Amino acid sequence: QSALTQPASVSGSPGQSITISCTGTSSDVGGYNYVSWYQQHPGKAPKLMIYDVSKRPSGVSNRFSGSKSGNTASLTISGLQAEDEADYYCCSYAGSSTFVVFGGGTKLTVL
Amino acid sequence: QVQLQESGPGLVKPSETLSLTCAVSGYSISSGYYWGWIRQPPGKGLEWIGSIYHSGSTYYNPSLKSRVTISVDTSKNQFSLKLSSVTAADTAVYYCARLSRSSGPIDYWGQGTLVTVSS
Repeated sequence: QSALTQPASVSGSPGQSITISCTGTSSDVGGYNYVSWYQQHPGKAPKLMIYDVSKRPSGVSNRFSGSKSGNTASLTISGLQAEDEADYYCCSYAGSSTFVVFGGGTKLTVL
Repeated sequence: QVQLQESGPGLVKPSETLSLTCAVSGYSISSGYYWGWIRQPPGKGLEWIGSIYHSGSTYYNPSLKSRVTISVDTSKNQFSLKLSSVTAADTAVYYCARLSRSSGPIDYWGQGTLVTVSS
C-alpha cells in the first residue's frame, strides 16, 4: 500500500483536460511544498514533469500544471494528446524520518 | 547531457547481497547534486531507496535502512547500491538517478536494470 493515494486510472479524449489527484497527510503533501510528478511510458524510465508543487522543468510542455490544496496535490493536463498516455506518479518529501513517499500511480488513457 | 548507466548482476540468490553501480557521464559528481536509487517491482509503483551527496552524506528509506548501503566514488564518477539479505520481494527494476536535493526532485534517470532474486 503506497503512502500517497492516487486514482488507479483516468481517461480523457484528445483536446480535453484531466486532473490526477494525489492525497497524503499533513506529514507529507500537506506539510511541505515538495511535491513532484513523474510521467512513465511502458518500459521507460520516469520523466520529471512538475516539481515543488507547480514548477515545470525546462522542456516540459505548459499543458502540464500542478497545484496543491491542503493534503491533496493535483496534476492537470490540458489539451490532451495521444502521447500523454502513460502512468503518472506523485512524490512528496515526508520529513526527516520517512523522507520520500510515492503514490501508487495513475494510468492515463487517451480515448 | 547528463547520462546515468546502471550495471550489475541481473540475478541474485535469496539471502545474498544485491550490488549495483551507476556510472555518470556529462557531469562530475563532485560538482554537486545528490545521487540516488529508486526501484520498481514488475507491474508495480516506484519506491525510493535512498540518496547520497558527493561528501558521503546518506539518506535512506527507513523500511530498507537496515539492509541498504549507498556509496560514492568520485574518482570514478560513479555511485553504488548494496542491498543485503535479499528476498523475492526485492525483485525489481532498479533505477539510478540525479536529485536536486537529498529528497528530490529527480531530474535525470538511468534506463533501469532488472534484478531478479531467485535460486
